Amino acid sequence: GAVVSQHPSWVICKSGTSVKIECRSLDFQATTMFWYRQFPKQSLMLMATSNEGSKATYEQGVEKDKFLINHASLTLSTLTVTSAHPEDSSFYICSARELGVDSPLHFGNGTRLTVT
Amino acid sequence: QQQVKQSPQSLIVQKGGISIINCAYENTAFDYFPWYQQFPGKGPALLIAIRPDVSEKKEGRFTISFNKSAKQFSLHIMDSQPGDSATYFCAAYNFNKFYFGSGTKLNVKP
Repeated sequence: GAVVSQHPSWVICKSGTSVKIECRSLDFQATTMFWYRQFPKQSLMLMATSNEGSKATYEQGVEKDKFLINHASLTLSTLTVTSAHPEDSSFYICSARELGVDSPLHFGNGTRLTVT
Repeated sequence: QQQVKQSPQSLIVQKGGISIINCAYENTAFDYFPWYQQFPGKGPALLIAIRPDVSEKKEGRFTISFNKSAKQFSLHIMDSQPGDSATYFCAAYNFNKFYFGSGTKLNVKP
């Protein structure tokens, strides 16, 4: 089955620093990748949709200058949390979708970010 | 506005019982309805999915029932096992966007 690899699985950083999270589709080409944020015991909140070779589309209320998304190839998207603050601590999950009408969404295993 | 409403929020079922989770939607443009299973600290994993032109889909112990006229769909887990204890999310899709329900935490008691 389709595999989405996300790294790192957890990261601790100091306030004010930047953190990059990588998301790779290992055995399929993902023209679209999605980035979600999940708070404890809550649902998935879509942050942005990224299409290969173009600018990401951010959801309302998500700061695009804070959460930089790059989708440089059909198998790689990155999320950079810039100037991280403790309130950015969360579980970030990427997902990727193959082309096709019934193509499911495949998720990475998430990244637990803790900002101290 | 929540596009997909999911219930119950939590569910306790005895081993061997049937777990039923329900979802409802309003947007008739949705054309794909997946269910995801998520274990703590992991990303969601696709369990089963259905299109609106089908009323039921079964894969092993998991069945989706779909009622297009009522705009509702549900997940049935037959012979529930302790290993099924997880959080389940329904979702609906259209125009390259997935909308997720709020999640149901299932606890299967041995």
